[in-house]
Amino acid sequence: EAAVTQSPRNKVTVTGGNVTLSCRQTNSHNYMYWYRQDTGHGLRLIHYSYGAGNLQIGDVPDGYKATRTTQEDFFLLLELASPSQTSLYFCASSGGLGGTYEQYFGPGTRLTVL
Amino acid sequence: GQQVQQSPASLVLQEGENAELQCNFSTSLNSMQWFYQRPEGSLVSLFYNPSGTKQSGRLTSTTVIKERRSSLHISSSQITDSGTYLCAIGNAGAKLTFGGGTRLTVRP
Repeated sequence: EAAVTQSPRNKVTVTGGNVTLSCRQTNSHNYMYWYRQDTGHGLRLIHYSYGAGNLQIGDVPDGYKATRTTQEDFFLLLELASPSQTSLYFCASSGGLGGTYEQYFGPGTRLTVL
Repeated sequence: GQQVQQSPASLVLQEGENAELQCNFSTSLNSMQWFYQRPEGSLVSLFYNPSGTKQSGRLTSTTVIKERRSSLHISSSQITDSGTYLCAIGNAGAKLTFGGGTRLTVRP
């Protein structure tokens, strides 16, 4: 089974602060994703990538940057955090073309912006 | 874009009762997953089922593409089944669109 890890698991920051969320997958998947989950909105896609150096815009990208440094590592950056970005963040990976689109999720990161 | 509707929004069962959760989608798909979200937030993938029927223990997933629906059947519910069940549909490359979820409570 695919292994996806996220760090930190919990983070508290202040408005205007810089935050980096990290994700690593160890199953050589091509695709990686960042989602946020909020009450009343379900999970929504922020950014995704189909390989190192690639970035695709998701459905709710405003206020977020992301970078895929290697096939294993995908980072989500909040450069000027705002309270509206308080959320539960999930990273996921999938094999993509040539494999299935089944997505494997990490344990989530709870971010609180005060 | 893809619209995904889950029903019911919430459901309360007595332990031992069966449940049928529905997921309806608006366009064609190339991937479909059911997830269980634990009360503390972590996601458990239950099924990857873009078509047909799959079973795992007391859980059965059936996806009928031409009717644009998928269902999750839980038989002989247990208290530990309580939580939120999410369906997600993919039809544009690798992107998933999630439904709003069904919150299940199983009482003793």
